[in-house]
Amino acid sequence: GQNIDQPTEMTATEGAIVQINCTYQTSGFNGLFWYQQHAGEAPTFLSYNVLDGLEEKGRFSSFLSRSKGYSYLLLKELQMKDSASYLCAVTDSNYQLIWGAGTKLIIKP
Amino acid sequence: DGGITQSPKYLFRKEGQNVTLSCEQNLNHDAMYWYRQDPGQGLRLIYYSQIVNDFQKGDIAEGYSVSREKKESFPLTVTSAQKNPTAFYLCASTPGEVSYNEQFFGPGTRLTVL
Repeated sequence: GQNIDQPTEMTATEGAIVQINCTYQTSGFNGLFWYQQHAGEAPTFLSYNVLDGLEEKGRFSSFLSRSKGYSYLLLKELQMKDSASYLCAVTDSNYQLIWGAGTKLIIKP
Repeated sequence: DGGITQSPKYLFRKEGQNVTLSCEQNLNHDAMYWYRQDPGQGLRLIYYSQIVNDFQKGDIAEGYSVSREKKESFPLTVTSAQKNPTAFYLCASTPGEVSYNEQFFGPGTRLTVL
């Protein structure tokens, strides 16, 4: 079966750095997305990785290792507004998008 | 402003009633999608449409129906055959193949069955 694993919940301190991991087992791979979703709102796009390596975009970076079936989202200089759920999604060999359950990130002052 | 609108934001339904959720986009996107989100679970695909007058079942299509008569509109009907319809419903669109395009989401409709 196809599976995406993320931690259910993480807590971090304002101003700190946090890494949210995502491991996947899918039938093929055609790209990995990270989305941010505030409670009761729509997900918004953060990043897309299709090749191995690190993609940096401001305070957020996303890393991919296809051989390990692993990605992480790195958030720096955490702000209270970063409190949200972070969703990992993988496109499989049939170009279907498989979603993880999301990681709820709680930021404390 | 371009975007996706969903209405209503909150919807209450009695058991045995059909209800239709609206989704409209003015992004000129070809593909549209309906997802269901339940607590502690990932988004699950209900239906998707890559072109007008054509749509495909997703992973959990039973108890749902859709239409795509116009490029801008992709309404979802939750029928009485859906046994557990209480959930958060999200509509999304992409300019082309979802495989490498980000999805743009509407604000969602929270459906509660009383």
